[in-house]
Amino acid sequence: DQQVKQNSPSLSVQEGRISILNCDYTNSMFDYFLWYKKYPAEGPTFLISISSIKDKNEDGRFTVFLNKSAKHLSLHIVPSQPGDSAVYFCAASGNSGNTGKLIFGQGTTLQVKP
Amino acid sequence: DAGVIQSPRHEVTEMGQEVTLRCKLISGHNSLFWYRQTMMRGLELLIYFNNNVPIDDSGMPEDRFSAKMPNASFSTLKIQPSEPRDSAVYFCASGRGDPGTDTQYFGPGTRLTVL
Repeated sequence: DQQVKQNSPSLSVQEGRISILNCDYTNSMFDYFLWYKKYPAEGPTFLISISSIKDKNEDGRFTVFLNKSAKHLSLHIVPSQPGDSAVYFCAASGNSGNTGKLIFGQGTTLQVKP
Repeated sequence: DAGVIQSPRHEVTEMGQEVTLRCKLISGHNSLFWYRQTMMRGLELLIYFNNNVPIDDSGMPEDRFSAKMPNASFSTLKIQPSEPRDSAVYFCASGRGDPGTDTQYFGPGTRLTVL
């Protein structure tokens, strides 16, 4: 049972445009959310996070939005660059008896075309 | 400063054979995580250790999988006997502090193919 879902396996955007990656979760006890980026043949690296007490967190070209009522978060990349082409994983954690471990989604492959 | 080191990077084995994956943590980190990546399920946590003690192994698929942390900087994940459905990329990650919020640093992964 996937508690964190990324329903779009892939996304293709033009350089300079906005990339929007989506993530849904089912467990209302999740209170911390993260995005990791993964290049081929490398491990995932941390990108940005957000606590449930906020609805937006921004870091340069990357912004994460959290809609708790919809149990939905999204990652916006503006403007998108070819170097952003990677697999993006969203992850969630919470103190629901699961020891606070991260639950990852399946990942979305972003391709930014020059 | 070296990151998380995993070996081997690639492993091809036959069904029924024992497979051992190795991981060296970043110095000073006290949490160690083993993940498995598949297309269908993404990144799944198999087990995690804190200060060398296994905290949560609920993600370990079955008794064929075992993980150890013989010291503060090294861990192994063993599959015995291996099966074709174990084919995946296995990552280890290390961190310090809260496993749910603090950044985890991933190794490059071991791509396992079981024929």
